[in-house]
Amino acid sequence: AQSVSQHNHHVILSEAASLELGCNYSYGGTVNLFWYVQYPGQHLQLLLKYFSGDPLVKGIKGFEAEFIKSKFSFNLRKPSVQWSDTAEYFCAPAPMFSGGYNKLIFGAGTRLAVHP
Amino acid sequence: DVKVTQSSRYLVKRTGEKVFLECVQDMDHENMFWYRQDPGLGLRLIYFSYDVKMKEKGDIPEGYSVSREKKERFSLILESASTNQTSMYLCASSFTRANEQFFGPGTRLTVL
Repeated sequence: AQSVSQHNHHVILSEAASLELGCNYSYGGTVNLFWYVQYPGQHLQLLLKYFSGDPLVKGIKGFEAEFIKSKFSFNLRKPSVQWSDTAEYFCAPAPMFSGGYNKLIFGAGTRLAVHP
Repeated sequence: DVKVTQSSRYLVKRTGEKVFLECVQDMDHENMFWYRQDPGLGLRLIYFSYDVKMKEKGDIPEGYSVSREKKERFSLILESASTNQTSMYLCASSFTRANEQFFGPGTRLTVL
């Protein structure tokens, strides 16, 4: 069965520190890739997505992610975090099966706390 | 603006009660999804629907059923609520199955 692994369950950073959240998935074929964010008390929203083309994808609020096919990874990065980035982050690959039901598979999530 | 709404933000029910959670989307999306979200487990897919009156089991369908009589509405039913169904329930919709999903605010269900 396809699976997704987010390496860190909890991350604590100070403001202005750099962030990298790991995401690895197990499917070897074509895959769409998503990162979602859930701010405290708010609903899940899309941070960025990758379907094809340039493997470095830029999203909202200064986030970016790099797709490395050989490593089955789609890590999320931000050069300098802010207190307002405190949230839970979910990686969600969507394996593309021909003739099947393609759907997103969500990771367990990473809780990021940014201290001023 | 894209909108997915859920009937309740908070719900408290007793063991054995029948529970209905409703979700409505205004984007004319074909696909709708029900997840439950538990700490440390991420989002787990309960059921999804790719058309009116069509449904497919997700990863954890046991104890749940769904109904989709109209394109914009997708209901999750707990036939006989149990305490292990205490959770946050999220509804989502998407235009295609592997495309961006838009989420509702969630319903936090407590079963006593």
